[in-house]
Amino acid sequence: ELKVEQNPLFLSMQEGKNYTIYCNYSTTSDRLYWYRQDPGKSLESLFVLLSNGAVKQEGRLMASLDTKARLSTLHITAAVHDLSATYFCAVEGADSNYQLIWGAGTKLIIKP
Amino acid sequence: EAQVTQNPRYLITVTGKKLTVTCSQNMNHEYMSWYRQDPGLGLRQIYYSMNVEVTDKGDVPEGYKVSRKEKRNFPLILESPSPNQTSLYFCASSLSNPSGYNEQFFGPGTRLTVL
Repeated sequence: ELKVEQNPLFLSMQEGKNYTIYCNYSTTSDRLYWYRQDPGKSLESLFVLLSNGAVKQEGRLMASLDTKARLSTLHITAAVHDLSATYFCAVEGADSNYQLIWGAGTKLIIKP
Repeated sequence: EAQVTQNPRYLITVTGKKLTVTCSQNMNHEYMSWYRQDPGLGLRQIYYSMNVEVTDKGDVPEGYKVSRKEKRNFPLILESPSPNQTSLYFCASSLSNPSGYNEQFFGPGTRLTVL
């Protein structure tokens, strides 16, 4: 059974700092998705990672996928307040019949 | 504008009173799904549909029904709502593209309270 674990679940940081959110999963997959959710809002797709070594960047966010380690990272560079949100990773397992298994989410608070 | 819409956005109801939450997408997506989001439990899938007339259970289907008579619509039906179905509900859709990956686009959410 595919399990997805995110770390940390809660992160409070200062503006200007760098940090990384980790997404570990338990079985074979080469399809991983990152989403953002603002408080009281819907989920917005950030990155789609479809192969080992995939790296995607958008502004201060960069996501990568290591399928051998079963690990994806979401790196935040020089954080700004607007990046405060909850970030979810979701994994499409090889035998999951197209379904996504979701991590619990990382609530990120960036203080001025 | 490409979007997934849900109605209603907010609903307060009483135990046992049947309700339907509608979901519609205008992107010609084959795949649609319903999730519920509860504090501390993340997103849990209720039902999904790979195409018209094809539906299947997710992780928490008990107490819910769905139908997919048209490609664009995927209503969620609660025949006899109970307080444990109080939650935030999201509908999502995705295109079964040639690569076959499942990037889902979400509706705005429906906050349901069952008294």
